[in-house]
Amino acid sequence: EIVLTQSPATLSLSPGERATLSCRASQSVSSYFAWYQQKPGQAPRLLIYDASNRATGIPARFSGSGSGTDFTLTISSLEPGDFAVYYCQQRADWPLTFGGGTRLEIK
Amino acid sequence: QVHLVESGGGVVQSGRSLRLSCVVSGFTFSSYGMHWVRQAPGKGLEWVAVISDDGNNKHYLDSVRGRFTISRDNSKNTLYLQMNSLRGEDTAVYYCAKGPLGGHLSYWGQGTLVTVSS
Repeated sequence: EIVLTQSPATLSLSPGERATLSCRASQSVSSYFAWYQQKPGQAPRLLIYDASNRATGIPARFSGSGSGTDFTLTISSLEPGDFAVYYCQQRADWPLTFGGGTRLEIK
Repeated sequence: QVHLVESGGGVVQSGRSLRLSCVVSGFTFSSYGMHWVRQAPGKGLEWVAVISDDGNNKHYLDSVRGRFTISRDNSKNTLYLQMNSLRGEDTAVYYCAKGPLGGHLSYWGQGTLVTVSS
């Protein structure tokens, strides 16, 4: 199975700052890659699909990049509602797998 | 609006069975693949199973293959997960999600909690 490793595990930043979250795959997944946001007590929400495409209704401050094995989610200017856990996911091979998550917390 | 509502969770003894349901609205259910994803308490997300729009193609996580069965009734806009021989490690919130067979998961339900007790 394809293992996804997210870093850092926890990221402490202030509102208005730029956040950069990383995910590395154990083998190439091409651009078959997505990012999700999960707030406490809520279901995950799709942010980015196919590595760089924003899902419906997702603000432009969220952007995704990368291909192959290295991917990045960037939040250009953090807003209070952005502090949450972020997961990456690959769909290049079965089973579909998720990364372990990055917790984005308020500094 | 797209809505997915799971039900059927609860507390069940190890070795017993449970069937989860997910009723959807707001999109043409019969045109989309559907997934089950679970999340153990305090842990990350784990994909469980997927079924194609017509029900003819299915894939499973190795640890549930042979114990869990995903199915759907397109006439009722409902997705199912039959879980047999449940184990403690199956304890989790189970989410249904809309997405193609090998795709990203565009909409999620709020989840239903399954607790397997010994």
